Order: sequence, then C-alpha cells, then structure tokens
Amino acid sequence: GENVEQHPSTLSVQEGDSAVIKCTYSDSASNYFPWYKQELGKRPQLIIDIRSNVGEKKDQRIAVTLNKTAKHFSLHITETQPEDSAVYFCAANRIRNTGKLIFGQGTTLQVKP
Amino acid sequence: DVKVTQSSRYLVKRTGEKVFLECVQDMDHENMFWYRQDPGLGLRLIYFSYDVKMKEKGDIPEGYSVSREKKERFSLILESASTNQTSMYLCASSLGDGTYNSPLHFGNGTRLTVT
Repeated sequence: GENVEQHPSTLSVQEGDSAVIKCTYSDSASNYFPWYKQELGKRPQLIIDIRSNVGEKKDQRIAVTLNKTAKHFSLHITETQPEDSAVYFCAANRIRNTGKLIFGQGTTLQVKP
Repeated sequence: DVKVTQSSRYLVKRTGEKVFLECVQDMDHENMFWYRQDPGLGLRLIYFSYDVKMKEKGDIPEGYSVSREKKERFSLILESASTNQTSMYLCASSLGDGTYNSPLHFGNGTRLTVT
C-alpha cells in the first residue's frame, strides 16, 4: 500500500546549524506534501506545505524541496534555534484513496544551545 | 483561529470498558479525522468523516467506531477497550474543498491508558 518513509528518526544539531529531514513517498499521484511540527505536549501544527506544481517553497528559515521524479521531499531549517526543538512529521496525500494524508514516522529534532 | 477541542486530556480505563472520545471544532469544517499517535509509527488514521452522518475507515479502524451526528462534533468509540489501544488520540478537522489538500487543525490530544 501507499506509505511515507521519513529519516532520520532523531536529529541533534548545534544552535545555528542547519537541519534537514527527508521523506520519500510511494504514490506517484500524490500532489500535496505538508509538514507538521509538534512541540512537547502540544498539538501538531502545519509549518509549511508544497504542491506538486512547484519544486521549492521558503518561509523565513524554513524551506521545503520536492523531487517528483525521485518521489522525495525534504524540510530544511537554517540557523536553528532551541525553539525549533520538536517532532516533525511529513505527509503526502493519497490520490487513489480519496486524497487522505499519510504521515511519516516523525523526526525528533534537538537543537543544543 | 480554528479551535479543535478534545473533551479529555487524560483517560484511564479498564479492559473491556466502552470508551468515548469526544471532539468539537468551531470553524464549520466539513472534514473531521481521528488519528492515533504512537512513538516510531507517526500518525495513523483511524476514521474520518466528510459530512454529517458520513464516515469512512482509515488505515487502522479495527476495534473502533465513530459517530458524527452534528457537523461540529466527531466521536471516537472503543467498543471494548484493550491494552493495545493505549495511545495518544488526536482529532483533526479541515475544510471540505474536495481535495483533502487543506491544512489539518489538530486538537490537543487525549492520552488513553487501558489497564
């Protein structure tokens, strides 16, 4: 069935460094790829999303890139700060299954001051 | 700002009990979802609803049922709770634009422990 693989499962960086989280998806018809951030004890919240008609999208220190041919997409966080520490989830929609989102396994990012 | 409210933050139930998890959203969203969150497994879809009284199974519906009698309320029911249903349960809602490409708005979650 359709799935989304997310790597790494944990990531530790020094404050100010960049962090990259990668996801691959299996449904070649997927056309919507959101990223959610979940701080400890809080709800997941959308931080950025990308649609298949663009290859990259930026929002301040956060960017997402999409490679449709390879079926993978990545989250890039530059100049990391301690408040970036959280669990990050990628997701892709499943066109053949009424478009519902399928999530990756999550990446726990720790930014060390 | 969209508000999705789950009735309980923590619940402890016994094996075999019938458990109700309630979720209410205040933004007139058509779509509502129940996810289960377990470490290393991400968010897995249990059930979703795209309209009142409409429901569809997600990826892991076994042992669960749902009810949506009103647009703003979506209930998850564990007919006979088992220890393997101990988990964090997240409710979410989104606009019904027909594509499921609109952002999900999550509740704070209910941590259910079944003993």
